Amino acid sequence: NAGVTQTPKFQVLKTGQSMTLQCAQDMNHNSMYWYRQDPGMGLRLIYYSASEGTTDKGEVPNGYNVSRLNKREFSLRLESAAPSQTSVYFCASSADRGYNQPQHFGDGTRLSIL
Amino acid sequence: TQLLEQSPQFLSIQEGENLTVYCNSSSVFSSLQWYRQEPGEGPVLLVTVVTGGEVKKLKRLTFQFGDARKDSSLHITAAQTGDTGLYLCAGARGNAGKSTFGDGTTLTVKP
Repeated sequence: NAGVTQTPKFQVLKTGQSMTLQCAQDMNHNSMYWYRQDPGMGLRLIYYSASEGTTDKGEVPNGYNVSRLNKREFSLRLESAAPSQTSVYFCASSADRGYNQPQHFGDGTRLSIL
Repeated sequence: TQLLEQSPQFLSIQEGENLTVYCNSSSVFSSLQWYRQEPGEGPVLLVTVVTGGEVKKLKRLTFQFGDARKDSSLHITAAQTGDTGLYLCAGARGNAGKSTFGDGTTLTVKP
């Protein structure tokens, strides 16, 4: 009963390096999301994908790109990592984009940029 | 601009006490969701409220959506140590698929 799976769980990068965070869901959900969570703050939406084949910017998209590879997978890429991108990243999915749909979250990727 | 303000930011109480946390906004939301997050894990949905004035109960937890759909509260009766965690509210407007999260209330229940 995996739900939403994120890899890796931890990562340390040097400034300027690139990496891709992976997310996969096995609930046949249409919508997927990427958030970042900083200490003392809630979740801020980076990008979301309302359905396969579409992606849209969220609240804090600068410095990130996303790919909705198929219905199951939604990846987040940092092209040139900066210390300000040190955070915990959460992927989530929901059945569809309706306002009353619950979001199911993965356990996060803890990313440190030195 | 933070659309959803949660208060208090931190709350530490003894087991058995009652508590209320608040989620306030100047904006109207189509729905308001409450999540609980434990250390090292992602948030888990507790409840969704969609109708102004709606009250939902989940065992010792009571959730209320304001009449004008701008605010919500979470009341816990006889708190237990297992209630410890970060409580997040999230508001959605329309069917755009996006939710705005508050900064959360960190609750510690001491034995």
